[in-house]
Amino acid sequence: DVKVTQSSRYLVKRTGEKVFLECVQDMDHENMFWYRQDPGLGLRLIYFSYDVKMKEKGDIPEGYSVSREKKERFSLILESASTNQTSMYLCASCPGGGSIYEQYFGPGTRLTVT
Amino acid sequence: QQPVQSPQAVILREGEDAVINCSSSKALYSVHWYRQKHGEAPVFLMILLKGGEQKGHEKISASFNEKKQQSSLYLTASQLSYSGTYFCGTDSNAGNMLTFGGGTRLMVKP
Repeated sequence: DVKVTQSSRYLVKRTGEKVFLECVQDMDHENMFWYRQDPGLGLRLIYFSYDVKMKEKGDIPEGYSVSREKKERFSLILESASTNQTSMYLCASCPGGGSIYEQYFGPGTRLTVT
Repeated sequence: QQPVQSPQAVILREGEDAVINCSSSKALYSVHWYRQKHGEAPVFLMILLKGGEQKGHEKISASFNEKKQQSSLYLTASQLSYSGTYFCGTDSNAGNMLTFGGGTRLMVKP
């Protein structure tokens, strides 16, 4: 069974804090993704990584950065959290080779920035 | 640009059928369908590829009209367990990234 785990289910941070969201997958997948989920807007891609140290911007990268130092781990960083970054954050992974493969999602981190 | 899903929400009685649509403004290479129950991670249902190949669960059926740039998910003889939010994700570039629609909330009542 593929497992994608995220470091926290719930997180509360203050405006201006640096926030790290961690994601780990155990199936040796090349591709990893960070999405943001907001009501009515579905899942919006923040960043995508196709290999260690390799990344591509998604649809809404502003205010976020990512790090992938090991194949199994993909981190999302909010350099200076703002209230408009309050949201549900989902990590996903899949094998490399294009969109012919299903994505496996983690349980999500609900981040509240006050 | 995100694909457009319709309807936005639907309520069914057990045993009834439903169709969820996903329309894109771009030519599509693949369409993914996922279901998310409240408080849980999205779960894979089906992938439809340009050219007609499909991968997914046997009990789920879907169509992919390449000309119309749209896909439909068919839920027949619905069960209570079908309740949740359904998302389509589309790829127009034969790449690795998907663009997801806003979701369709489905509620099945006894």
